[in-house]
Parts: sequence; C-alpha cells; structure tokens
Amino acid sequence: GAGVSQSPSNKVTEKGKDVELRCDPISGHTALYWYRQSLGQGLEFLIYFQGNSAPDKSGLPSDRFSAERTGGSVSTLTIQRTQQEDSAVYLCASSSLMNTEAFFGQGTRLTVV
Amino acid sequence: AQTVTQSQPEMSVQEAETVTLSCTYDTSESDYYLFWYKQPPSRQMILVIRQEAYKQQNATENRFSVNFQKAAKSFSLKISDSQLGDAAMYFCAYRSYSGGGADGLTFGKGTHLIIQP
Repeated sequence: GAGVSQSPSNKVTEKGKDVELRCDPISGHTALYWYRQSLGQGLEFLIYFQGNSAPDKSGLPSDRFSAERTGGSVSTLTIQRTQQEDSAVYLCASSSLMNTEAFFGQGTRLTVV
Repeated sequence: AQTVTQSQPEMSVQEAETVTLSCTYDTSESDYYLFWYKQPPSRQMILVIRQEAYKQQNATENRFSVNFQKAAKSFSLKISDSQLGDAAMYFCAYRSYSGGGADGLTFGKGTHLIIQP
C-alpha cells in the first residue's frame, strides 16, 4: 500500500477482554516495529520483525502481549486479559533493509474501561 | 542501553520566528543515526530530519536544521520562520548503526511546540 495502515483506529474494550491490533506495512518493507505511546510519554519499543521472525521479544511488557507476522507482511499485536494500564496508542512502523527511515502508521488508540 | 533526553516538555514561539528544540543522548557506540520526528494531532509520526553520526556536516531540510555536537552528545533542532502548521509534538530519536534495526528507535519524551499567531 501507499503507507502503513493500522486498524482499528480506535478501540474501547472492557477490562479482561482480549484485543487484536493489526498493522499492514508498506509493500516490500521487510522490517516491522511495534511501539506503545502512553499519555504524555515518548514511544516505548515493543517488538521488531525481520520478515516473519522476531529476534527479540523482551520489549513486550508482559506475557499477556504477543505478536506475529505472517507472509512477511501483515502483523497482529494481541493483548490478552486487558488491564487499564494497557490503555495507550499502539504505533506500527516499517522500513526497508536499505533505508534507515521508519514509516509510521496512524496508530490504534486503545482504551480499557 | 541508549537513552534520549528532551528537557523541554513545552515550547512556544511566535509565528515567523525561530525556535530551537533540545535533545541529548547517551550511548557508547560511535556509529548511529539520529532523527527528529513530528507528531501532529493525527498521531502519525512524520520524519523531519535525519543525521548520520559519521557525518560532520549538520543536516538541513528547508526550514529545519540541526546542530549536531557528537562529543557533547547533543542534537538540537532549529525551526526557522515558524509556521502554524509546525505546531505538534516533536520527538528526538536514536537508532543504532549495527543490529540491523533490531533495537528499533529509542525516543525521547517529546517537546510540545506551540506556535502563537
């Protein structure tokens, strides 16, 4: 696609429910990143994919968080048993091997009530 | 681990004037990249300017320029002739040269830039 696409744009969920956030990177970009931006804070790095592989998952906040990427393209970030502290904007970015610039999507604003 | 510090939570400037946003970072690496990103209310992070650490010349993009002081680990952004559309959150970010991007970008906490008409 023309840019990084994330869905949904906004999500309100009840505490304890599972949510799935989707990221569709720029076509041909092999690297994909997930970040979390809490209110008034900078961006917290969560996980990186090179192709379908995630070399380091230690940035995920807890074992309730998981991410996968299939076909070297779309990625999903799943949060199980959501908690109020999970409320944040979740940003996805992609880049190509030859370019250091990361292109960001517009994020998913998650609100846990 | 690298850290990025933006000491100005908020800055205000009159339209058409010049403003400088500060950023310092801490790293033991000699090769790396530095970035300034702009985040308007739409939430999408937009790259403003990029600097490779091995380049001594300061990067410039139209009204945006940086003052990169490698020894001092300082990377400030100067916006000349400020425009209303420049109002946004500005984030300074660091990326390691090695590692193939696996470390991602390390961001500062941002500076909220207000443009006064």
